[in-house]
Amino acid sequence: DADVTQTPRNRITKTGKRIMLECSQTKGHDRMYWYRQDPGLGLRLIYYSFDVKDINKGEISDGYSVSRQAQAKFSLSLESAIPNQTALYFCATSESAGTGVDTQYFGPGTRLTVL
Amino acid sequence: GDSVTQMEGPVTLSEEAFLTINCTYTATGYPSLFWYVQYPGEGLQLLLKATKADDKGSNKGFEATYRKETTSFHLEKGSVQVSDSAVYFCALRIGDYKLSFGAGTTVTVRA
Repeated sequence: DADVTQTPRNRITKTGKRIMLECSQTKGHDRMYWYRQDPGLGLRLIYYSFDVKDINKGEISDGYSVSRQAQAKFSLSLESAIPNQTALYFCATSESAGTGVDTQYFGPGTRLTVL
Repeated sequence: GDSVTQMEGPVTLSEEAFLTINCTYTATGYPSLFWYVQYPGEGLQLLLKATKADDKGSNKGFEATYRKETTSFHLEKGSVQVSDSAVYFCALRIGDYKLSFGAGTTVTVRA
């Protein structure tokens, strides 16, 4: 089984709808991240969480919100989707600072299309 | 701010050809540098990394050397295979978590 899973893998929705993307991990990592990928722009950080009680905005958080329901679960919501939020969304996890292991592990991605 | 610039693609090669993907960075501190690979339909995977100047990261026949004097971290492989077809991302990290990614380079290897 994959260590970082995302649901759904694909979603088509309409402008104004509320959408939730979910991420689960079995790696036991404290840190979790949400990125979006757009052609020609690489990945940009939306939100990140260092533990269940710690949520932080990334570089492009406007129009998004997150919830860290448990160490293993981190959800991304679009309260009112708009077409320029059409993108590929990735969840990632990593160990805490000081462990000496700094690799981020990515889920398979969710392709979201907003019509 | 901290940023990464990598060569634009797409890059199309024949099997056993030599691959180079250029990556340069701008950073105010001393970043760690990474190459991630994204195979079709999958998430990103760490390919290799280097944490200080002159370090060489290597994995699966790929290599990249952290060159502080030229602020570069070019990815190379001497003989590519069809299975190397993917999107490659250069990234840097300042501090202990934030990754800044390049735009990605799509590589297609033909048999």
